[in-house]
Amino acid sequence: ETGVTQSPTHLIKTRGQQVTLRCSSQSGHNTVSWYQQALGQGPQFIFQYYREEENGRGNFPPRFSGLQFPNYSSELNVNALELDDSALYLCASSWGAGGPYEQYFGPGTRLTVT
Amino acid sequence: EDQVTQSPEALRLQEGESSSLNCSYTVSGLRGLFWYRQDPGKGPEFLFTLYSAGEEKEKERLKATLTKKESFLHITAPKPEDSATYLCAVQAGTGGGNKLTFGTGTQLKVEL
Repeated sequence: ETGVTQSPTHLIKTRGQQVTLRCSSQSGHNTVSWYQQALGQGPQFIFQYYREEENGRGNFPPRFSGLQFPNYSSELNVNALELDDSALYLCASSWGAGGPYEQYFGPGTRLTVT
Repeated sequence: EDQVTQSPEALRLQEGESSSLNCSYTVSGLRGLFWYRQDPGKGPEFLFTLYSAGEEKEKERLKATLTKKESFLHITAPKPEDSATYLCAVQAGTGGGNKLTFGTGTQLKVEL
């Protein structure tokens, strides 16, 4: 069974640029959630995708957007990067969008905005 | 709004010294309470799900319990490899998909 994978591992961007992060869900899972984790904080929910549709969103501005593909992999896009966007971005997959279903996390992408 | 508070923020134990971590929560309609372990710079690793008050689950040196207002993660005779940040999260029945609301975690250090 393949676990959740994310790419890239690390990324450095300049304020105002755009970034795309990628996630492959665990085999058999059809739901992907994205979280932002600032240093010393717990993960904060950005949004969730279930069968290619957004299925819930946290308190993040519209410049945070996403996609889910037919193979259930997903992308997180962030436009007009700000310094405060520097964080560990985590992807989690689960079976189903109802719940409660355990969410299994990938290793994360460390984004640094300078 | 769902809220999760974890205490203590940090805990230092000697090897073999048992202790408990606390997770207090306020949610509308708890669907599940989750415990995760997170090593520095890595993604959270799933440990337990608890669904209703009175439920208990065990895994090696860890035991998780749940009441209507809080959950405890008991660590019995810890070893240095148990050092990590332990995160508690809740899933509520108020929409937003099955999002998890996390606490800020307890950073555990187990010394020889």
